[in-house]
Amino acid sequence: GAGVSQSPSNKVTEKGKDVELRCDPISGHTALYWYRQSLGQGLEFLIYFQGNSAPDKSGLPSDRFSAERTGGSVSTLTIQRTQQEDSAVYLCASSLVLGALTTNTIYFGEGSWLTVV
Amino acid sequence: RKEVEQDPGPFNVPEGATVAFNCTYSNSASQSFFWYRQDCRKEPKLLMSVYSSGNEDGRFTAQLNRASQYISLLIRDSKLSDSATYLCVVISGGTTDSWGKLQFGAGTQVVVTP
Repeated sequence: GAGVSQSPSNKVTEKGKDVELRCDPISGHTALYWYRQSLGQGLEFLIYFQGNSAPDKSGLPSDRFSAERTGGSVSTLTIQRTQQEDSAVYLCASSLVLGALTTNTIYFGEGSWLTVV
Repeated sequence: RKEVEQDPGPFNVPEGATVAFNCTYSNSASQSFFWYRQDCRKEPKLLMSVYSSGNEDGRFTAQLNRASQYISLLIRDSKLSDSATYLCVVISGGTTDSWGKLQFGAGTQVVVTP
């Protein structure tokens, strides 16, 4: 597609249920990021995938959160046993990493709005 | 201390006026800098990259001060449509393995009033 695509765009789930959020990056982009943003707050880094390197998972808030990226393209963020504090918009972004000093534009998807009730 | 800090504002700006605000970063090895704009309940979108020599895009001017470790954004002749939150993004340099964990500021809210 032309841009970063995320699904679902909105998800309401009951506390304790598992959810999966999907991200389709821009074709050919090697880097993929997940961020989360609570209402009125800044972006919180979750995880970063770059090519074949081991993902940087340092931002995942707990072991209930996991993410994978299959075939260097689509990524799925999974939240197990959801809690109310997980309610936020989950933003995926991708970029084409060409080199260390290249300024690369990061393109964001429209986000998956998660509400845990 | 946060790696990237911004004044949250809001900056209330009369239409047609000029507004400027800064973003400070703590990592002296940072190589790439951007300003993103985020409208309410929307995803961030690139406004402009920030180059060492400073750069201008229409009414927007971005500056980088490496010695004092901050970048700035100036908006001239403010329009109502400029009302948004402006996010500062800093990326550390080095090898491509370090291209990640983009450091976002919390954003500066700008409200342009008629």
